Amino acid sequence: QKEVEQNSGPLSVPEGAIASLNCTYSDRGSQSFFWYRQYSGKSPELIMFIYSNGDKEDGRFTAQLNKASQYVSLLIRDSQPSDSATYLCAVTDTGGFKTIFGAGTRLFVKA
Amino acid sequence: GAVVSQHPSRVICKSGTSVKIECRSLDFQATTMFWYRQFPKQSLMLMATSNEGSKATYEQGVEKDKFLINHASLTLSTLTVASAHPEDSSFYICSARLGAGKGNTIYFGEGSWLTVV
Repeated sequence: QKEVEQNSGPLSVPEGAIASLNCTYSDRGSQSFFWYRQYSGKSPELIMFIYSNGDKEDGRFTAQLNKASQYVSLLIRDSQPSDSATYLCAVTDTGGFKTIFGAGTRLFVKA
Repeated sequence: GAVVSQHPSRVICKSGTSVKIECRSLDFQATTMFWYRQFPKQSLMLMATSNEGSKATYEQGVEKDKFLINHASLTLSTLTVASAHPEDSSFYICSARLGAGKGNTIYFGEGSWLTVV
């Protein structure tokens, strides 16, 4: 069973701090990795994708990928209350046909 | 990013009736679309994978005769909840895959809240 694991949280951080969200996956052949944000009552929206080992930055968001450790993370700098949401990690399987979602981590940014 | 539109956003229907939800990829052709349902404060549950021009592939435990999926074109997939009952009330979300292989990215529709009374 291919899995994507996330800590369900809630992860609580003060406004302005760095929020660090982590995800591990079991399929060693996975090549595509995604982070989605889902506000309560809304559908998920894509934040970032990453394919290569290392860091990828987009504004306040940085995705980090370590394929050897089968680990992908999302850092949110200068966290804002509006960042409070559930963050879903998604990983495409070896064949690239199936995208498996983690259960999500709830983030709460305190004003 | 790519745009996926879902309609209706909210629907209330009587028990025993059928409800159709549409999912459209507005600015790209999607050979594969996905349907999920999500209960409050729970994670996404994949119901089925819809491939254009072929029968949908349902996940284990999802009744194909109750959740009818049609993917007649590269930009439209529909989910029909047949003979809906109150326990079918949920948030239904579609998504479409842009690209293939390593570069594929899934974009979600806005979701549809179904309430069966």
